This record gives sequence, C-alpha cells and structure tokens, in this order.
Amino acid sequence: GAVVSQHPSRVICKSGTSVKIECRSLDFQATTMFWYRQFPKQSLMLMATSNEGSKATYEQGVEKDKFLINHASLTLSTLTVTSAHPEDSSFYICSARVGTGGSGYTFGSGTRLTVV
Amino acid sequence: LAKTTQPISMDSYEGQEVNITCSHNNIATNDYITWYQQFPSQGPRFIIQGYKTKVTNEVASLFIPADRKSSTLSLPRVSLSDTAVYYCLVGVDTGTASKLTFGTGTRLQVTL
Repeated sequence: GAVVSQHPSRVICKSGTSVKIECRSLDFQATTMFWYRQFPKQSLMLMATSNEGSKATYEQGVEKDKFLINHASLTLSTLTVTSAHPEDSSFYICSARVGTGGSGYTFGSGTRLTVV
Repeated sequence: LAKTTQPISMDSYEGQEVNITCSHNNIATNDYITWYQQFPSQGPRFIIQGYKTKVTNEVASLFIPADRKSSTLSLPRVSLSDTAVYYCLVGVDTGTASKLTFGTGTRLQVTL
C-alpha cells in the first residue's frame, strides 16, 4: 500500500534553534499533505494543509511564521519549526491522501520533538 | 465534520470482545463513519469505514443502526497488541483537500 516516510523519528534540539521534519510519499504522488501535532495523552490536532506548489493553509491559531511548511514536489513536504521553545515539544505527524473517503489517508510514523 | 463522542478509556482482558461506541448525533446524509487506530508513538492507521448497517473486515466489525446517530466498533478476541487509541471520525469526502479532524478517541488497555 501507499507509504508515507517521515524523518526523523525523534529529535532533540536547543531552544532557539530550528528543526526540519520531512515527509515523503514513497510510491505515490501527494498533491496534498497534512501536518498534525499531538501532545501527550491528547488527540491529533491539524496544524496545516500542505499543497504542492502553493502556500500551505494553516488552521486557526497556528503560527505560520513559526511552523514553515514547504511542499516543493509531489513527493516531499517539510515542516520547519523555527526558533523552537520547550512548549513546541510534541509529536508531529504528517498525512497524505491516497484515495477517497475516510479510508483514503495514510500517515507517517511521526516525529517526537523535544526542545531543551 | 460532525462532532463525535466516545468513552475516554476502556479496559479489557485478552481474549474478550471489545465494543467501542461512538455517538454522532449530527451526522449528515452524506457522511461516512471511519475508525482509525493509533499505537503509542506512531501515526494513526485506518481500521474500518461504513455508511450503514454492518461492515466487517479482517480486523474489526462496524455496526451502524438505522438512524446512524451512533456506531460501534467491535474488536473480536482482543490481544495485548490491540492496546491503542481508537478514533471515530465522521465526515464527507469533499475532494483532495478534505481533511481529517480527530476527536478525543478511546484509549483501550488490554491486559492478561
């Protein structure tokens, strides 16, 4: 089946630095990808919709200047957390559409970001 | 997307059948009901989807009553590896930009 590869799986960075998370569709082209954030014991919260060749669409309350999304090709979307702070520590997950309906989504394995 | 309500958590012993019910009183005519499973530190994984009556696959069954205001995910003979969070989602596919919105989910803990 369609696979989305997400890297790194975990990263630790210092406050004030930036971290880039990559999400690749391995055997299909993803026009649209989605980025979620998940805090411990909480549900996934959609951050933004990444569109190939155009600007991302951010959900209300998500700082677009802090969470930079680039979707330069049909197989790669990146999320850069800029000037990271401890409160940005979370589990970040990307997703892509691979079909129709609620079953038509595949998710990356997630990235555990810890900001120290 | 229609708002969903699920129990926050459930406990079960290995080998038992587990039924997780999701309420979605405001479901629209065109909405599908979809369930995802998420293991710790992993992305969600699709389990099952249905529109009405009963759907069964190799993993689970989904029961949807005639009024469609609720649905029940049934996991037969659970094992320890079924310990996960189960999300019920309700919505319609509006195209390539359709996005999944997750509710609170049900945290299932299976023990020996």
